[in-house]
Amino acid sequence: EVQLVESGGGLVQRGGSLRLSCTASVFTFSNFWMTWVRQAPGKGLEWVASLDQDGNEKHYLDSVEGRFTISRDNAKNSLYLQMTSLTVEDTAIYYCVRGGGSPNPWGLGTLVTVSS
Amino acid sequence: EIVLTQSPATLSLSPGERATLSCRASQSIGNYLAWYQHRPGQPPRLVIYDASNRASVTPARFSGSGSGTDFTLTISSLEPEDFAIYYCQQRNSWPRTFGGGTKVEIK
Repeated sequence: EVQLVESGGGLVQRGGSLRLSCTASVFTFSNFWMTWVRQAPGKGLEWVASLDQDGNEKHYLDSVEGRFTISRDNAKNSLYLQMTSLTVEDTAIYYCVRGGGSPNPWGLGTLVTVSS
Repeated sequence: EIVLTQSPATLSLSPGERATLSCRASQSIGNYLAWYQHRPGQPPRLVIYDASNRASVTPARFSGSGSGTDFTLTISSLEPEDFAIYYCQQRNSWPRTFGGGTKVEIK
């Protein structure tokens, strides 16, 4: 069964930085687009960023463009999300998801809390 | 950016009843629409992709229809495990977007 395990979440102050990681297993990671999706407390799902198989084509939510960077290391079966200049509005569970179109499956998520 | 509007926000039904969920796109997206199920404490799960194709392990009681701007997810006879929040999502263009969700709750 495909496994996606996120890590790196935690409590950070407004303006701070955090790097999320996602480790993939039981599938050929380098063959797939990968995506980050988030869910703020009490809110719906929000697509954040997607990255192609080679790490060359990237797409971002407007509100994170310039602050977040999606990247991958295919040799380590890992996806990353470098987050800088964090705001309270970035507080959410961040999910790592396989695919870039209708992505699936999803990891369990990692919680990012930005304090003011 | 394509805006997806889901209705109703909440659907109160009993097990065994039929559920009909709607998703409307702000512009035509062909059939590039997916539906996700999100149960409390679990990650979301793909239910339907490309408007009408059931994902693997999606039961046959789930069906999707529509194209262009209007889409429907139908659950023919609700089982206890179907009570959840359902989101539509488009893959026609970047940025990918989700609808606001429809909560299917037990009446």
